[in-house]
Amino acid sequence: EGQLVESGGGLVQPGGSLRLSCAASGFTFSNFWMHWVRQAPGKGLVWLSRVKGDGSDTSYADSVKGRFTISRDNAKNTVYLQMNSLRAEDTALYYCARDGDYGGYSRFDPWGQGTLVTVSS
Amino acid sequence: DIQMTQSPSSLSASVGDRVTVTCRASQSIRNHLNWYQQKPGKAPMILIVAASSLQGGVPSRFSGSGSGTDFTLSISSLQPEDSATYYCQQSYRTPYTFGQGTKLEIK
Repeated sequence: EGQLVESGGGLVQPGGSLRLSCAASGFTFSNFWMHWVRQAPGKGLVWLSRVKGDGSDTSYADSVKGRFTISRDNAKNTVYLQMNSLRAEDTALYYCARDGDYGGYSRFDPWGQGTLVTVSS
Repeated sequence: DIQMTQSPSSLSASVGDRVTVTCRASQSIRNHLNWYQQKPGKAPMILIVAASSLQGGVPSRFSGSGSGTDFTLSISSLQPEDSATYYCQQSYRTPYTFGQGTKLEIK
């Protein structure tokens, strides 16, 4: 079925950097696109980025383009989100999710439990 | 970017009621529309894919419909455990935008 576990969150000053990790288990990791989604406290879900199974294709939301970089290491079954030039508005719970292709349709399942990033001085 | 607009933003209903949440896309997304349920302190969970395909383990009281720009999520007989926030998401084109969410409270 699959399990995802995020790590790497924490408190960082504005302008700082952080790298999030998402460790996958229970499925053939390299077969799946992976996504990052965030949720600011008390707010809704915001899609951030995705990476193809072999790492050859990536996409980003405009709000993070040029600041965040998604990557993966299929040997370690891990997807990463490198976050640079962090701003207060990046404070959120960050989720990774597998894109479990459903007959050609994208669906996010499963999700990790999230890792909290707080940007504050 | 494709904008997703949900309504209402919140609703309150009683056990046994039928409730409907609507989601409108700013342009046609064919049927590339997913619904998720999120309970407090938990990650979202997939309910419905491709506008109307109920995912495994999801109770049959949940259903989805629509295509193009207008979609609905219905719960036929509300149960206490359905108290949650519901999100639509378009998966037609990146960025895969979500609606703002509908918070469902059980009276």
